[in-house]
Amino acid sequence: AQSVTQLDSHVSVSEGTPVLLRCNYSSSYSPSLFWYVQHPNKGLQLLLKYTSAATLVKGINGFEAEFKKSETSFHLTKPSAHMSDAAEYFCVVRRGAGGGNKLTFGTGTQLKVEL
Amino acid sequence: GAGVSQSPSNKVTEKGKDVELRCDPISGHTALYWYRQSLGQGLEFLIYFQGNSAPDKSGLPSDRFSAERTGGSVSTLTIQRTQQEDSAVYLCASSLAGPDTQYFGPGTRLTVL
Repeated sequence: AQSVTQLDSHVSVSEGTPVLLRCNYSSSYSPSLFWYVQHPNKGLQLLLKYTSAATLVKGINGFEAEFKKSETSFHLTKPSAHMSDAAEYFCVVRRGAGGGNKLTFGTGTQLKVEL
Repeated sequence: GAGVSQSPSNKVTEKGKDVELRCDPISGHTALYWYRQSLGQGLEFLIYFQGNSAPDKSGLPSDRFSAERTGGSVSTLTIQRTQQEDSAVYLCASSLAGPDTQYFGPGTRLTVL
């Protein structure tokens, strides 16, 4: 079975400072990993995904994440936070090739960006 | 172009009543998923449809939950004899090429009184 653990339920940063949202995964197989973002009253949007290619993945809005197999981590980062980044972020895992269709979501990290 | 749409956006019902939630996927997407997002929790997978294949129902929490997908397009999630613990946001997603890039609808907020 696969699972993800988002280590922080809430993160608060000042505008212009770096963002780090932490995610650890567990999977019996080589996983696919994703980050989704959910803005208030809006649908979930894919930020980026890792599917066994480059370990450093760049996504939309300046976000990126690095797959570290030795640490079973897939942390989401951004060099400089913007007010519009305030949202809830979900780390998601899917079992690797032939692993079926089920996505397993983390419990989410609420990002707050302050002036 | 149009994204995934869901209706109704909000549904309030009484305990014991049946409800139907509708999902219109993006045109041409062969895969369709239903998830449930309960307060303070992540998304919980419910069911997955892919083309004409038998659906993956492994996430349905009880036999009160069922879903259909007619004509490979619109899907309906039915909850019979609703319970208060069924209160949640029900999200639908569709994808063109397998489960990797899923496009989500805005959800239906279900409240069971």
